[in-house]
Amino acid sequence: GENVEQHPSTLSVQEGDSAVIKCTYSDSASNYFPWYKQELGKRPQLIIDIRSNVGEKKDQRIAVTLNKTAKHFSLHITETQPEDSAVYFCAASQGMEYGNKLVFGAGTILRVKS
Amino acid sequence: GAGVSQSPRYKVAKRGQDVALRCDPISGHVSLFWYQQALGQGPEFLTYFQNEAQLDKSGLPSDRFFAERPEGSVSTLKIQRTQQEDSAVYLCASSSPLDRVGNEQFFGPGTRLTVL
Repeated sequence: GENVEQHPSTLSVQEGDSAVIKCTYSDSASNYFPWYKQELGKRPQLIIDIRSNVGEKKDQRIAVTLNKTAKHFSLHITETQPEDSAVYFCAASQGMEYGNKLVFGAGTILRVKS
Repeated sequence: GAGVSQSPRYKVAKRGQDVALRCDPISGHVSLFWYQQALGQGPEFLTYFQNEAQLDKSGLPSDRFFAERPEGSVSTLKIQRTQQEDSAVYLCASSSPLDRVGNEQFFGPGTRLTVL
């Protein structure tokens, strides 16, 4: 089955700096890659997603890049703010044939220091 | 409209007790998923429903775990004879009409189960 690895496990940045989180996946059939933000004790919330027919997607300060050949995708947050501090999870989905179930990475704790 | 809701939010059970966790998905969402999130880990898939049909239960850790969605809306995850290793947050997620390539899954707040 699919396996998703995520790095780093913790990341500390100064306010205003950029943060990059990287994930790799194992199954080339995966075709949907969402990123979720989870604050302590709260539900995971989608912040951005990308489908396999696109190489890059941007939404204000957040961007995701996908390299299908290398089977890795990355989250980029620019101009970080204290409210960006949270746990970030990447995930991969193999699509309808597998019910669109998500396989998650282990998470990255992002701390933005002001 | 209302998001995904789950109840109870917290559940403490003695080892060996049975528990039932409820999920109310977003109205009209066809797909419903249950995930288990251990402390400090990412959510792990348990089971998936499309309407009332349970199409994938490959993630259920043992036959003590059972899920149902009899009318294609509310779902219940039942754990029989709870063990300490069942302690985790149980997340429910729902998504909108079928799409071949991924749909946003909306998560509920989770039920934190502690087995003593």
